[in-house]
Amino acid sequence: GAGVSQTPSNKVTEKGKYVELRCDPISGHTALYWYRQSLGQGPEFLIYFQGTGAADDSGLPNDRFFAVRPEGSVSTLKIQRTERGDSAVYLCASSFGTGTEQYFGPGTRLTVT
Amino acid sequence: AQTVTQSQPEMSVQEAETVTLSCTYDTSESNYYLFWYKQPPSRQMILVIRQEAYKQQNATENRFSVNFQKAAKSFSLKISDSQLGDTAMYFCAFSNNRKLIWGLGTSLAVNP
Repeated sequence: GAGVSQTPSNKVTEKGKYVELRCDPISGHTALYWYRQSLGQGPEFLIYFQGTGAADDSGLPNDRFFAVRPEGSVSTLKIQRTERGDSAVYLCASSFGTGTEQYFGPGTRLTVT
Repeated sequence: AQTVTQSQPEMSVQEAETVTLSCTYDTSESNYYLFWYKQPPSRQMILVIRQEAYKQQNATENRFSVNFQKAAKSFSLKISDSQLGDTAMYFCAFSNNRKLIWGLGTSLAVNP
């Protein structure tokens, strides 16, 4: 079946602009996760959803970052007033409940100029 | 707080040989999961193998196996009969049924 998809695959934006990154999880997966991976680093947890609600948003770096999952399926990560330090690959994963394998999308590479 | 440490930034191995990647972790929890993920240049993170902390038996998946030492908090990955397609970044990760906590990764090159 279809895996996790993320759009766009690449996004270049200017400092100060607003961006939205989309994640479409595997059908039936109730848990959805966002991670950020900077160059040469391991992924860093941002937020995870169980259904429509954010179960843990402790990894969001500041209030410029926000994520939603209004219908318990597709999720959007929103970044306001982007900064050059936000440049990274943003990975999305989904799982059939927590504690099970997380399946990853191909990521969105965000470049802030 | 949980941490994951991968002490080998880069490794290389000859095709068909065996290589072991190291991982240690720190946690005060008794119930958790450990994973090895592979990330080739395509960026796609692929699950290699998973270990439940309550299981004493080491997990195996074809050419991939782990040496899980719970008391030592060690979780190494052994790749047997290395293939060129194994060339990738390998990440060790810890999960407490919620988020994954990751090491910095080991870049593995398989040489012909």
